[in-house]
Amino acid sequence: DVKVTQSSRYLVKRTGEKVFLECVQDMDHENMFWYRQDPGLGLRLIYFSYDVKMKEKGDIPEGYSVSREKKERFSLILESASTNQTSMYLCASARGASLYNEQFFGPGTRLTVL
Amino acid sequence: AQSVTQLDSQVPVFEEAPVELRCNYSSSVSVYLFWYVQYPNQGLQLLLKYLSGSTLVKGINGFEAEFNKSQTSFHLRKPSVHISDTAEYFCAVKDGRGNEKLTFGTGTRLTIIP
Repeated sequence: DVKVTQSSRYLVKRTGEKVFLECVQDMDHENMFWYRQDPGLGLRLIYFSYDVKMKEKGDIPEGYSVSREKKERFSLILESASTNQTSMYLCASARGASLYNEQFFGPGTRLTVL
Repeated sequence: AQSVTQLDSQVPVFEEAPVELRCNYSSSVSVYLFWYVQYPNQGLQLLLKYLSGSTLVKGINGFEAEFNKSQTSFHLRKPSVHISDTAEYFCAVKDGRGNEKLTFGTGTRLTIIP
């Protein structure tokens, strides 16, 4: 079974703090994704990566950055957290080189910024 | 750019009754369509997908969906729901140009009434 794990289920941070959200997948997938999920807005893509050290902006990259130093790990970074970044963050991974490949999701990290 | 519309944000249904969750998409190119389910406090998992071929697609847990190109729809159905089907359901589209990005709808919360 594909497993995507996220470092924390719940996280509380203060405004202005630097926040790291970690995601690890164990299936040697090329593609990894970070989404945020908000009520009434569904899932919105923040960033994705199709290879080590490669990244592309998604639909809402402002206020976020990412890092992919190893194939299995994809980190989302909030340089200076703000209250409007309070949300559920979901990581996903998928095998590359095929349009048919489904994305596998982690359990999510619920981040609260006070 | 593609988009997905899920008109119903909440659908209450009595146990053992049938259900249909609606999904409409727009895209200028051929698409691949997906339904994901999110059970409480979990990540998303794939229910079913349409890539090509038969327009009626069967998925897990007794769900099925029908691709209708003329109506640009991909509605999800189940003939008899169970309490365990209580979850949020997301429709998603990927375009056929090699882009790995998934565009999600805003979700439909299905509540089963005993």
